[in-house]
Amino acid sequence: AQKVTQAQTEISVVEKEDVTLDCVYETRDTTYYLFWYKQPPSGELVFLIRRNSFDEQNEISGRYSWNFQKSTSSFNFTITASQVVDSAVYFCALSDSSSAQWGAQKLVFGQGTRLTINP
Amino acid sequence: GAVVSQHPSRVICKSGTSVKIECRSLDFQATTMFWYRQFPKQSLMLMATSNEGSKATYEQGVEKDKFLINHASLTLSTLTVTSAHPEDSSFYICSSFLFGLEYFGPGTRLTVL
Repeated sequence: AQKVTQAQTEISVVEKEDVTLDCVYETRDTTYYLFWYKQPPSGELVFLIRRNSFDEQNEISGRYSWNFQKSTSSFNFTITASQVVDSAVYFCALSDSSSAQWGAQKLVFGQGTRLTINP
Repeated sequence: GAVVSQHPSRVICKSGTSVKIECRSLDFQATTMFWYRQFPKQSLMLMATSNEGSKATYEQGVEKDKFLINHASLTLSTLTVTSAHPEDSSFYICSSFLFGLEYFGPGTRLTVL
């Protein structure tokens, strides 16, 4: 069965510090997608990134960057120069192979990491 | 981007009553929608897959007679929590797909007294 583990339940840092959120996944599928979502206090999920299993290139988007290491089944997320507005719960998620194309796909979510950025 | 709406955003009801939550895809047609449940400070758990024109598929451990799902059109899926009890209090989120990306609704917070 597929599984996503976010070992860090809560992280608290001071503004402008860099912070890395860990995500380790388990799957027997060779084709899959990995995701990161942000959930602010309002509850609405905000899509951050989707990465397919064949693309191991790291990605940078502004202050956000993602490191995908297939060898260690990890998909870590780093926020550089954190800001108070980054405070939220962050979820890592994994899709299953039956939905690795354009169709609808089930997602398995990690437990989430509550990130607090203090001024 | 695509938008998924939910109604109501918040509902409080008495134990034993039924509550209906609507999920709409506002600018695209969705043959499949997903319903998730999130208890406080916990992760999202998939409850069921809603299929337009056919029966919903429920995840293991989810009571299909308690959580009725109807996907009557390509833009609307409804989740009815029947005979709600305090343990059903949760944040219910629906989602749908467009071109491989999942779009989530804003969620419905259900409180059963």
